[in-house]
Amino acid sequence: NAGVTQTPKFQVLKTGQSMTLQCAQDMNHNSMYWYRQDPGMGLRLIYYSASEGTTDKGEVPNGYNVSRLNKREFSLRLESAAPSQTSVYFCASSDWGANVLTFGAGSRLTVL
Amino acid sequence: GQQVMQIPQYQHVQEGEDFTTYCNSSTTLSNIQWYKQRPGGHPVFLIQLVKSGEVKKQKRLTFQFGEAKKNSSLHITATQTTDVGTYFCDNTDKLIFGTGTRLQVFP
Repeated sequence: NAGVTQTPKFQVLKTGQSMTLQCAQDMNHNSMYWYRQDPGMGLRLIYYSASEGTTDKGEVPNGYNVSRLNKREFSLRLESAAPSQTSVYFCASSDWGANVLTFGAGSRLTVL
Repeated sequence: GQQVMQIPQYQHVQEGEDFTTYCNSSTTLSNIQWYKQRPGGHPVFLIQLVKSGEVKKQKRLTFQFGEAKKNSSLHITATQTTDVGTYFCDNTDKLIFGTGTRLQVFP
């Protein structure tokens, strides 16, 4: 049982390049989330999907788009990367109403 | 707006000393979750508190939910080097994480 799997683990981009972070969970959870964590900082919510077919903005959505591909998968896209998007990105999932998050191992993104 | 603040931001203790972190909300919380993140790792769920005044224990860790459900605390008795990490509180109803408390334990 893998839990929440994120790919890639590490990525270096140049300013203006685009990329997609992939996230998949095998726990049959309804809700999925994308957070970013900057050095020495807490977790800030980018986007979330309460259930398949829905997505909503979190605290810091600018510069990102998301797709809830199916119940298992929730991807995060950076259309034109900026140095300010250098961060560690965590995907998480939870059962609807359970309020307990299971996190992936994280994706470390550097934008030069 | 809705905020969840944690204090202290950092704490350095000698191994064997106790440690407490506090989570304070500007509004009433329906529930609260605590997570631990080891350096270089990802947050891992520790416990959930739901009831007013609730106290739960996990070995050396004691979690408490305030009577007014606006604050919570995590107390570690006799810290060990394995306790090193950042401790976060979270109210998923509001999709807000606390700012976290980074604990360093010196042997």
